Amino acid sequence: AQSVAQPEDQVNVAEGNPLTVKCTYSVSGNPYLFWYVQYPNRGLQFLLKYITGDNLVKGSYGFEAEFNKSQTSFHLKKPSALVSDSALYFCAVRDDGGGGFKTIFGAGTRLFVKA
Amino acid sequence: DTAVSQTPKYLVTQMGNDKSIKCEQNLGHDTMYWYKQDSKKFLKIMFSYNNKELIINETVPNRFSPKSPDKAHLNLHINSLELGDSAVYFCASSQWDSNTEAFFGQGTRLTVV
Repeated sequence: AQSVAQPEDQVNVAEGNPLTVKCTYSVSGNPYLFWYVQYPNRGLQFLLKYITGDNLVKGSYGFEAEFNKSQTSFHLKKPSALVSDSALYFCAVRDDGGGGFKTIFGAGTRLFVKA
Repeated sequence: DTAVSQTPKYLVTQMGNDKSIKCEQNLGHDTMYWYKQDSKKFLKIMFSYNNKELIINETVPNRFSPKSPDKAHLNLHINSLELGDSAVYFCASSQWDSNTEAFFGQGTRLTVV
């Protein structure tokens, strides 16, 4: 069965500092991994994804994530945080067992960037 | 143009009522979803349709009935609303391929009183 864990409910970081939001996953096949961001009273917005290839993937708003197969992790990172990055971040996983099957979302991590 | 649009954005209703939420996507996607986000922000899939065919039906009470008149629309009808149904419901769409991301609507905040 697929599962996603985001071990931190909240991450606090000062503006200008690097940030990391952690995610670990479990799937039976090869994982397709996604990060989404949710701003208040809005739907989720896609940030980036790992499908295959280079373990470091770059996405929107300067975010990047590193796929680590041995640690089954897909942590979201940004070199320099902005106050406007404050939002709720979701990691999601889908296995390659077939198209359109359900995506499992983590519980979300609230990122708070302080000026 | 809004890619995935849901109506209404807010819905306040009394227990026992029946209500519907509509969703439309103009992205040409063939797969649509309904998700429920509870008060703790936990996001759980309810249904998935591919080309109007039900693909995923999670353990959702049968008071919830999705309907897809065409692949651009996926509506959610809820009978006999209960207090525990209060949540934010998100519609989303994607292509069928496992490696494609989903696009979400802005959500419908349902409050049952």
